[in-house]
Amino acid sequence: DGGITQSPKYLFRKEGQNVTLSCEQNLNHDAMYWYRQDPGQGLRLIYYSQIVNDFQKGDIAEGYSVSREKKESFPLTVTSAQKNPTAFYLCASSIDAQTAEQYFGPGTRLTVT
Amino acid sequence: GEDVEQSLFLSVREGDSSVINCTYTDSSSTYLYWYKQEPGAGLQLLTYIFSNMDMKQDQRLTVLLNKKDKHLSLRIADTQTGDSAIYFCAEGDRGSTLGRLYFGRGTQLTVWP
Repeated sequence: DGGITQSPKYLFRKEGQNVTLSCEQNLNHDAMYWYRQDPGQGLRLIYYSQIVNDFQKGDIAEGYSVSREKKESFPLTVTSAQKNPTAFYLCASSIDAQTAEQYFGPGTRLTVT
Repeated sequence: GEDVEQSLFLSVREGDSSVINCTYTDSSSTYLYWYKQEPGAGLQLLTYIFSNMDMKQDQRLTVLLNKKDKHLSLRIADTQTGDSAIYFCAEGDRGSTLGRLYFGRGTQLTVWP
């Protein structure tokens, strides 16, 4: 059963702590993406990766970091430098970087207090 | 970046048709997408249309594209309470180096029994 998994579904952290959100896909997709969603807003692109060992900043990369050591995994770290980290985070993948159809995971809701 | 605009709310009675509208600005967009998001979940790809098409029908869903006015609509026939969700319009360029998507803010569809 192919798909994208994100864990955990809910995450709580204290201000000043780094936190890593997991994203795994078994679709054999080359490209992966991280988005942030705030209430009443569309999705904003944080980072994307076109292929293993390569990634680029999206529109709102400040305060975030990623790695892409394996094709199936694209973890996102929310650092203490991110000024307003509380949000719903969505991971997506597509067959390759030139294919715009993206498939999404279930999301992780991060709350920082 | 590209601008994708949607109205934020739509309410309909069960059994009626729903029409969700979207406008976009990038004339080079080659694909236009509709995604559905249920509460607390990720985005589900509903349907998409190529920019060289005017209409696409898929069961209860009909997508209409007016390229001249850069207007996209999603019609849901015989709307059910299970259709209550947020619907996102997105535009993408399959030929670009990165198949990124630009999302609208989403239309909250509420279906009354």
